[in-house]
This record gives sequence, C-alpha cells and structure tokens, in this order.
Amino acid sequence: GEDVEQSLFLSVREGDSSVINCTYTDSSSTYLYWYKQEPGAGLQLLTYIFSNMDMKQDQRLTVLLNKKDKHLSLRIADTQTGDSAIYFCAENYGGATNKLIFGTGTLLAVQP
Amino acid sequence: EAQVTQNPRYLITVTGKKLTVTCSQNMNHEYMSWYRQDPGLGLRQIYYSMNVEVTDKGDVPEGYKVSRKEKRNFPLILESPSPNQTSLYFCASSDSGRFHTQYFGPGTRLTVL
Repeated sequence: GEDVEQSLFLSVREGDSSVINCTYTDSSSTYLYWYKQEPGAGLQLLTYIFSNMDMKQDQRLTVLLNKKDKHLSLRIADTQTGDSAIYFCAENYGGATNKLIFGTGTLLAVQP
Repeated sequence: EAQVTQNPRYLITVTGKKLTVTCSQNMNHEYMSWYRQDPGLGLRQIYYSMNVEVTDKGDVPEGYKVSRKEKRNFPLILESPSPNQTSLYFCASSDSGRFHTQYFGPGTRLTVL
C-alpha cells in the first residue's frame, strides 16, 4: 500500500541545521519530492530526488535518500526564520497517473 | 508568469448549496488534479484529468464532480456540500506522463456550515 509518514513538529534555533525525516512504503516510487507550505499559501516545490540517487544538494538544502530503508530526509543548513513553514514529503505513486502521495507534513518552527 | 490560479480563495457556504471552485493554468499542461488538505492527513487526491475530456477518480472522490472541457480549466463541483467537505483545496497541474513536477495553486479554503 501507499503510505508516507513524517513527524508532526520540529523546533530549531536560527542558524542551526534542521533535519526533517520521512518514510515511505511504495518501493516503485521513482521521484520523491519536498514541498514547502507557508501560512496561507499554496505548496512550493523545494526540491526532488530521483530514486537512483543517494543525495542531492541545492544551496542550503540537502536531500538524502536511503532506498533500502525507504527513508528520505531534508536538511536545511543555517536555518532562518523565513524557513518556518510546513514541509511535505511526497512520493510519485508508481502507477499510470501522476498522483502524488503526501505525508502529513512537518511544522518547522524557527526560534530567533 | 507561469501559474495555477484558483477562485475563490475563501468561501463559506451552507449545507446543500451547490458551488464550483475554478482552477486555471497557463502552462499548457495536459495533467490537472484536485487535492484536499486536512489536519493530520496531508493532501489527498480527489480527481485528476489526463487531458481534455479525460477525468478519473482519485482517492476521495465522493461528493465531488469535475469537468475538463478546455485544457486550461479544471473546475471542482460540489453539488450538495456537506460539513465534512470543509477543507483546504488545492489544484495542481503538470505535463503529461509520469513523474513530471506538479505545480500547485494557492488553495481555496472552504467552510460548509
């Protein structure tokens, strides 16, 4: 079955690194995504990783994929107050459609 | 500017009063989709459309209808809204085929009293 799990809340201090974790169950997923949702806004695609990759870095963001354990993480270096948001992990369901299976979202609170 | 737009952004209505939430994209995308977001449940797909006149059910289609008469528009119709349809709704679009990145609209917050 399809299931994506995330912890609900993470609190960090400004300048520290944040690590948001996600586990998924569908081994046929080929792309995994991180979306950011700021208060009152839609979902902004932050980054994605292809399943044949272990790591992808994009400025302050590092995505790590452990395909064996079906574990995905998003590391934000030098976390800023503007990074406060809900972060969603999503997998692209391995079917005929382009359906995304989302996690419940992790609320990141950055303390000044 | 490439974007997905939704209207209205906020809506309060009463049980049983038919409503339509519009979604439009200007990227010439074939694939469009509707999701609802509820606390603790993440986003769940309601309906999707692979192209004009081609629509299919997602995971939570009960109580909703869609149509795709034009490529750019994908309205979500609630014929007889009920309080359990109170939610935050997102429209998304992408190029056709698997694994293309989906772009999301700003969301419509619906309250059904």
